[in-house]
Amino acid sequence: QKEVEQNSGPLSVPEGAIASLNCTYSDRVSQSFFWYRQYSGKSPELIMSIYSNGDKEDGRFTAQLNKASQYVSLLIRDSQPSDSATYLCAVGVRGTSYGKLTFGQGTILTVHP
Amino acid sequence: EAQVTQNPRYLITVTGKKLTVTCSQNMNHEYMSWYRQDPGLGLRQIYYSMNVEVTDKGDVPEGYKVSRKEKRNFPLILESPSPNQTSLYFCASGKLAGGSNEQFFGPGTRLTVL
Repeated sequence: QKEVEQNSGPLSVPEGAIASLNCTYSDRVSQSFFWYRQYSGKSPELIMSIYSNGDKEDGRFTAQLNKASQYVSLLIRDSQPSDSATYLCAVGVRGTSYGKLTFGQGTILTVHP
Repeated sequence: EAQVTQNPRYLITVTGKKLTVTCSQNMNHEYMSWYRQDPGLGLRQIYYSMNVEVTDKGDVPEGYKVSRKEKRNFPLILESPSPNQTSLYFCASGKLAGGSNEQFFGPGTRLTVL
């Protein structure tokens, strides 16, 4: 089993809909979780970080963390064509002062008008 | 402007010819890291550094070297590049605080080893 797995894509949603991206991780003691967005040909950019159970909202983005079930998700409300990108989930590995990050393989999101 | 810079952005080289990819950040971040990105494999961490003179292996360190002599610079060295090191490389930096590690990525270096 991969350490960090994301729901296989690509994911296609209509403009204005909610896009739901999911990520599961295998290390039960992981403490830090991140969502990055990567446009084609560009570098990843951080959009959300979450460290404790529950929801964290930032504008149209909501990150949800459930450590008991070992998953973290990203909801994008009112999806826009500009949200079309690859979304990467990253998990901070225990015992390394969070220096070691493991990324999922990414989920390609397409928002169509 | 706060940024992470990498040079060169594109490089074509031949097997066995030593090369260095430079990475520099102007945000006074303690943490720096190198990743490679390959189709179907995602981002994989090569090496990271928690501070000056402190480096550690990531998931795929074989064939690479790093050094952290100054806080702002973290070069990636390929002593004897091989074709399987053809990849897109990203440098990242971050400020470590309270258990967080929010990283900011450079623009990437596309390396081709013939």
